Amino acid sequence: EPEVTQTPSHQVTQMGQEVILRCVPISNHLYFYWYRQILGQKVEFLVSFYNNEISEKSEIFDDQFSVERPDGSNFTLKIRSTKLEDSAMYFCASKGPGRHTQYFGPGTRLTVL
Amino acid sequence: RKEVEQDPGPFNVPEGATVAFNCTYSNSASQSFFWYRQDCRKEPKLLMSVYSSGNEDGRFTAQLNRASQYISLLIRDSKLSDSATYLCVVTAGGYQKVTFGTGTKLQVIP
Repeated sequence: EPEVTQTPSHQVTQMGQEVILRCVPISNHLYFYWYRQILGQKVEFLVSFYNNEISEKSEIFDDQFSVERPDGSNFTLKIRSTKLEDSAMYFCASKGPGRHTQYFGPGTRLTVL
Repeated sequence: RKEVEQDPGPFNVPEGATVAFNCTYSNSASQSFFWYRQDCRKEPKLLMSVYSSGNEDGRFTAQLNRASQYISLLIRDSKLSDSATYLCVVTAGGYQKVTFGTGTKLQVIP
């Protein structure tokens, strides 16, 4: 069964450093999403991406965040200058055309020290 | 009012019990509705979509009431493996804006 993969599974970084979280969506999917979940809190929508552009983003997704689909298979989330409060689990998801279901990757746990 | 509201629980129920979860949403333009389950420190996994006509999948029944902006999930004959957090998910804007509820924690006790 096809699945969404994410790397790394755990990233530790120093405050102020840039991080790139990587996702490989399911191959024929067209809609891509990033979410975050701070420990003990709810899953929060960050951004959706379709047709090589951002289609929707939340208030959390400020200028420190960017997304890219550099090569037709990877979908990345970049945080330019990490803050302590960026520590969370980051989930990538993808969705096929004409379908409702989003498939989630296993997540990347980001720890900012 | 929160965009998607759920009772966080926990709901502690014995094996074999029937348990119901509710969820309310504030955006009347919401288009699609789902229940996901999330095990501890894992990714959310789709349990079922929710339709106005109601839908059933084995022991699970989901219902949507658009007039009241209310979604429900009923689990019959609870199993130990049903222990998880159940997330109510609402989308708008052609599936581009997705909002999760805080989740309802279920613990099924032997």
